[in-house]
Amino acid sequence: DQQVKQNSPSLSVQEGRISILNCDYTNSMFDYFLWYKKYPAEGPTFLISISSIKDKNEDGRFTVFLNKSAKHLSLHIVPSQPGDSAVYFCAAGHKNYGGSQGNLIFGKGTKLSVKP
Amino acid sequence: NAGVMQNPRHLVRRRGQEARLRCSPMKGHSHVYWYRQLPEEGLKFMVYLQKENIIDESGMPKERFSAEFPKEGPSILRIQQVVRGDSAAYFCASSPRDRGSPLHFGNGTRLTVT
Repeated sequence: DQQVKQNSPSLSVQEGRISILNCDYTNSMFDYFLWYKKYPAEGPTFLISISSIKDKNEDGRFTVFLNKSAKHLSLHIVPSQPGDSAVYFCAAGHKNYGGSQGNLIFGKGTKLSVKP
Repeated sequence: NAGVMQNPRHLVRRRGQEARLRCSPMKGHSHVYWYRQLPEEGLKFMVYLQKENIIDESGMPKERFSAEFPKEGPSILRIQQVVRGDSAAYFCASSPRDRGSPLHFGNGTRLTVT
């Protein structure tokens, strides 16, 4: 029973173009969402987050959009660079889940390849 | 990922042995979380600790697994009598407080049970 789903295991994009990574969730109790980036043999690195009271958050080349009615969020990377090639994990949580905001539910990840 | 230190990076154990994984959080962080990643899966929450206290262990298997975060020293995830299904990457994360700040992950310990 996956509460956070990333339905695309992989995505290939040309350098300079936009990368759009998608994530769907089922639990309406989730009130904040995060994107992490992971290189092989390293731990996940925090990229950007959004709380459920917003529908957009932007940080440089990275923008996260949240559509609560559709229970869907997406990460846009513009312009994409070869160094962005990594696995991207969507994660969700809520303050009352297990008593800890750090109890995050992760998707299975999308492997992004940015071609030069 | 600089700051959260995990060791060892790789650990090989035979079935039935014990595995001890260590995690030193980032300086100034008093909240520690352990996650496990099985092959081709996302990370799964295991346990959340503050100094000397287990706050949330809802993701820990009921048997063989235990965690601690003593007043002095690193947090330890201990797996007794390991089985092949315990083979995974174990990630530790820390944060300065429970709410409003993202987790910072270490580079993980890859446990292989032979």
